[in-house]
Amino acid sequence: DTEVTQTPKHLVMGMTNKKSLKCEQHMGHRAMYWYKQKAKKPPELMFVYSYEKLSINESVPSRFSPECPNSSLLNLHLHALQPEDSALYLCASSRNIAEDEQFFGPGTRLTVL
Amino acid sequence: DAKTTQPPSMDCAEGRAANLPCNHSTISGNEYVYWYRQIHSQGPQYIIHGLKNNETNEMASLIITEDRKSSTLILPHATLRDTAVYYCIVRVSPGTYKYIFGTGTRLKVLA
Repeated sequence: DTEVTQTPKHLVMGMTNKKSLKCEQHMGHRAMYWYKQKAKKPPELMFVYSYEKLSINESVPSRFSPECPNSSLLNLHLHALQPEDSALYLCASSRNIAEDEQFFGPGTRLTVL
Repeated sequence: DAKTTQPPSMDCAEGRAANLPCNHSTISGNEYVYWYRQIHSQGPQYIIHGLKNNETNEMASLIITEDRKSSTLILPHATLRDTAVYYCIVRVSPGTYKYIFGTGTRLKVLA
């Protein structure tokens, strides 16, 4: 299984809602990543987890809260988002945090009303 | 931090080789060059990476200049399915294992 899955595919939420994005991989990878991609822009790194510990936080606002409950799962909890947070949220994984290739999921398209 | 520069768009005839250039003039000696592509509405897909030697796999070839200041991704026989945005990435600040995507090249393969 060389797939990274993300749910849901699409999410619409109001600014007062709390929602979560989920990412899963069963490749035994120990590094997992969240990226944000605005329309017609490249992906921007948000968070990196290595061995279930947060390794990099790219100064992301606290309304985004990542969680890595085990080596296969990565969540992104969303609370009090703004319309400008509407974007494609991509999850990726790699064997480790070093030079290996990253495998990306298809993304969750988030719209904040 | 090493940054990359790519042309914003290119066209290529189907069946011909697509040569996508990337400039990374500030690359450090132990930083790798990675190439990814993103087909519309999908997540990015790894293509190839290299340090200083030319590399080839089933998808593409990567040619890195001797001074490592630039590289070229070659798709030997482009098909319509190769239409995508191609990103050249240099791993930033060895030790932080962080990847920064540049603006990429939008490749359109024409029938």
